[in-house]
Amino acid sequence: AQSVTQLGSHVSVSEGALVLLRCNYSSSVPPYLFWYVQYPNQGLQLLLKYTSAATLVKGINGFEAEFKKSETSFHLTKPSAHMSDAAEYFCAVSDRSGNQFYFGTGTSLTVIP
Amino acid sequence: NAGVTQTPKFQVLKTGQSMTLQCAQDMNHEYMSWYRQDPGMGLRLIHYSVGAGITDQGEVPNGYNVSRSTTEDFPLRLLSAAPSQTSVYFCASSWAGLANTGELFFGEGSRLTVL
Repeated sequence: AQSVTQLGSHVSVSEGALVLLRCNYSSSVPPYLFWYVQYPNQGLQLLLKYTSAATLVKGINGFEAEFKKSETSFHLTKPSAHMSDAAEYFCAVSDRSGNQFYFGTGTSLTVIP
Repeated sequence: NAGVTQTPKFQVLKTGQSMTLQCAQDMNHEYMSWYRQDPGMGLRLIHYSVGAGITDQGEVPNGYNVSRSTTEDFPLRLLSAAPSQTSVYFCASSWAGLANTGELFFGEGSRLTVL
């Protein structure tokens, strides 16, 4: 079965600093990979997705992620953190059919003013 | 733009009671699914459906039933609630087949407490 591992359940950064959230996947074939964001008391929203096109994927709100097959990683970055980025972030992988998604355990991002 | 609508938003049950969580979407999505979210465990797939009359199990299906009689609705039934089913439940939908972009659209969640 496919899976993703998110390193660090809590990450704190200062406003204006680089955001780096880590995700490693386990899959025998190139998967679809996603980053979702969850604001308090809300459902999840898609930030960005990798579907085997460009390895550097740009998403909403200035976030981007790079697919590195050699490292089986799909880390999420943002050059400059904003207070509004404080949320929980989930990495996810799906099979090619899109019928089964596997989510990581999430990383809670705190932005310090 | 309603999107994915879940009801109720909050529910408290006693052990052994039954209930149904409702999910409706107005985007004509063929694919619908139910997840539970527990602290430190992320989201885990309970059941999913790729169209009316078609359902399948996910990672954690035990204790839950689903049916899909229409494209719009995908209710989740707890026949005999247990404290281990205390969780936040999310319904999510997507396109299927050739239109599948792999992107899930989520409802706002239903928080269930079983005493």
